[in-house]
Amino acid sequence: GAVVSQHPSWVICKSGTSVKIECRSLDFQATTMFWYRQFPKQSLMLMATSNEGSKATYEQGVEKDKFLINHASLTLSTLTVTSAHPEDSSFYICRPEGGLYTEAFFGQGTRLTVV
Amino acid sequence: GNSVTQMEGPVTLSEEAFLTINCTYTATGYPSLFWYVQYPGEGLQLLLKATKADDKGSNKGFEATYRKETTSFHLEKGSVQVSDSAVYFCALSRSLNQGGKLIFGQGTELSVKP
Repeated sequence: GAVVSQHPSWVICKSGTSVKIECRSLDFQATTMFWYRQFPKQSLMLMATSNEGSKATYEQGVEKDKFLINHASLTLSTLTVTSAHPEDSSFYICRPEGGLYTEAFFGQGTRLTVV
Repeated sequence: GNSVTQMEGPVTLSEEAFLTINCTYTATGYPSLFWYVQYPGEGLQLLLKATKADDKGSNKGFEATYRKETTSFHLEKGSVQVSDSAVYFCALSRSLNQGGKLIFGQGTELSVKP
C-alpha cells in the first residue's frame, strides 16, 4: 500500500502558541488531502479538504483562520493550529489521496495536547 | 444524507470467542463499504472492503458481506485474539480516490481478554 508519513506523532504546547503538523505521501502524488480530528472514544470528524495548489474547503463549524491548511505540493500538506487552546487538544489525522489507489491511506496521527 | 451506524461498544470478549460488530448504512446509489481498524495511538488501517452488493471482504480472519437488501456490512470473526483489541470503524464512500469523502461510523471498541 501507499506510504504516508505524519509528524510529529505527539506534541505538547502552551496555550496561545501555534503548532504545525506535516503530512507527506512518500510514494504517490496526493492531489487531495483530507484532515480529520478525533476526540477520545469518538469517531473521525472531517475538518477540511484541500486540493494541491488550491485553498482548502472547511467543514461547517471548523474555523479556517484557526486551522490553517497548506497544500502547496503533491507530496506535502501541513495543518497549523494557530493560537492553540486546551479545547484544541485532540488527535489529528491526515489522509492523502491520489494516484491509482482505490483505498484510503491514513497518516499515523498526531496527538496534540495544549496546556 | 449518507450515514453509518455501528453498534455501541465497548465489546469485551474472551480469546477465541466469536465476534460480530453490526454496521448499517444510509446512502443513495451504490457506495463502497469499508472496515478500518485503529490500534491505540495510531492512525487507521484498512481491514477489508466491498465495492458492490453481495461482495464479501475478508482479511486476517475477519469477514463482512455487503448486503444491499438490509443496508448492512456486519464485521465477523470466528475466533478473536488478544491482538485484535482495537477500535473498529465502518465507513462508506461514494467516490473514493476521486476526492470523495469517507463517512465513518462512531467506532466500536473491542477488548479481548486472555
